[in-house]
Amino acid sequence: GENVEQHPSTLSVQEGDSAVIKCTYSDSASNYFPWYKQELGKRPQLIIDIRSNVGEKKDQRIAVTLNKTAKHFSLHITETQPEDSAVYFCAASKVAGSQGNLIFGKGTKLSVKP
Amino acid sequence: DAMVIQNPRYQVTQFGKPVTLSCSQTLNHNVMYWYQQKSSQAPKLLFHYYDKDFNNEADTPDNFQSRRPNTSFCFLDIRSPGLGDAAMYLCATSMGDRDNEKLFFGSGTQLSVL
Repeated sequence: GENVEQHPSTLSVQEGDSAVIKCTYSDSASNYFPWYKQELGKRPQLIIDIRSNVGEKKDQRIAVTLNKTAKHFSLHITETQPEDSAVYFCAASKVAGSQGNLIFGKGTKLSVKP
Repeated sequence: DAMVIQNPRYQVTQFGKPVTLSCSQTLNHNVMYWYQQKSSQAPKLLFHYYDKDFNNEADTPDNFQSRRPNTSFCFLDIRSPGLGDAAMYLCATSMGDRDNEKLFFGSGTQLSVL
């Protein structure tokens, strides 16, 4: 089955710096790669996702890149702010519906210092 | 924006005493998922329903069961909770169609086992 590795497990940056979180996946058939943000005690919320037919996607300060050949994808946060502090999870899945389910990485705890 | 509702928010049960967690959705989504999340770990998929079609993960213990009596409701039954079952249980939904894989999470039920 699919296995998702995520690094680093913790990341501390100064406000205004960039943060990069990297994930690798094992199943070359995976075609959907979302990123979830989970603040302490709250539900995970989707912040950005990318499909295998796209190499890069950007939404304001957040961007995701995908390298299908190497089977890795990354989350980039620019101009970090204290409210970006949270745990970020990457995930991968093959198909939607009855055959599909998301496999999550172990998470990265991001701390943004004012 | 309570589209996926989990009750109760906190649940305390005794070792070996059956417990049921509930989830309801107002999104009319086809797929409902149950995830287990232990402290500082990624959400782990237990099982999911695509409509009435039940899909169990291979490593989900028999102690965990689920019911989906209709589109809106899904229940997680833990037949004989052990201390190791203390965790946050997250319900999530998705449309289940290709191009609509986004998961919508509930706020979770924090289960304590005494």
